[in-house]
Amino acid sequence: NTVMTQSPTSMFISVGDRVTMNCKASQNVGTNVDWYQQKTGQSPKLLIYGASNRYTGVPDRFTGSGSGTDFTLTISNMQAEDLAVYYCLQYNYNPPTFGGGTKLELK
Amino acid sequence: EVQLVESGGGLVQPGRSLKLSCAASGFTFSSFAMAWVRQAPKKGLEWVATITSGGSNTYYPDSVKGRFTISRDNAKSTLYLQMDTLRSEDTATYYCAKDGGYDYWGQGVMVTVSS
Repeated sequence: NTVMTQSPTSMFISVGDRVTMNCKASQNVGTNVDWYQQKTGQSPKLLIYGASNRYTGVPDRFTGSGSGTDFTLTISNMQAEDLAVYYCLQYNYNPPTFGGGTKLELK
Repeated sequence: EVQLVESGGGLVQPGRSLKLSCAASGFTFSSFAMAWVRQAPKKGLEWVATITSGGSNTYYPDSVKGRFTISRDNAKSTLYLQMDTLRSEDTATYYCAKDGGYDYWGQGVMVTVSS
């Protein structure tokens, strides 16, 4: 199975920060990577599909990039409402596999 | 508005069975593949099953293959997950999701496997 390794596992941030989190695939997955946001007590929400395409309604402070094995999700100008766990997902190979998540917490 | 509403969760003993349902509305259900994704308490997300739009093809990870069966009734816009021979490690919140990017998720239903 393709292993998706996210780093860091948690980050302490302040409102207004620029936040960068990473996802590394154990093999080449092209750009077949999505990013999801999950707030406490809620279902996951699709943020980015195809590595770099912002889903409908997602604020432009969220940016996805990368291809092959290395992917990045960047939040410019972090807002309090962005506190959540973020997951990457590869769907290039079966089974689709999620990363372990990056949790954003307030300093 | 797209809605996915899961039901059928609960407490079940190891080795027993449970069937989850997911009622869909707000989109043409029969046109889309659908999936189940689960999340163990305080853990990450794990894909559990996918079914194609017509129901003819299904896919599972090794962890549930042979024990779980995904199915759908397009006339009722409903997705199902039959879970047999349940184990404690199947304890999780189960989400149904519209495939093609998992762009819509249900609210989730809790399944607890314990004696």
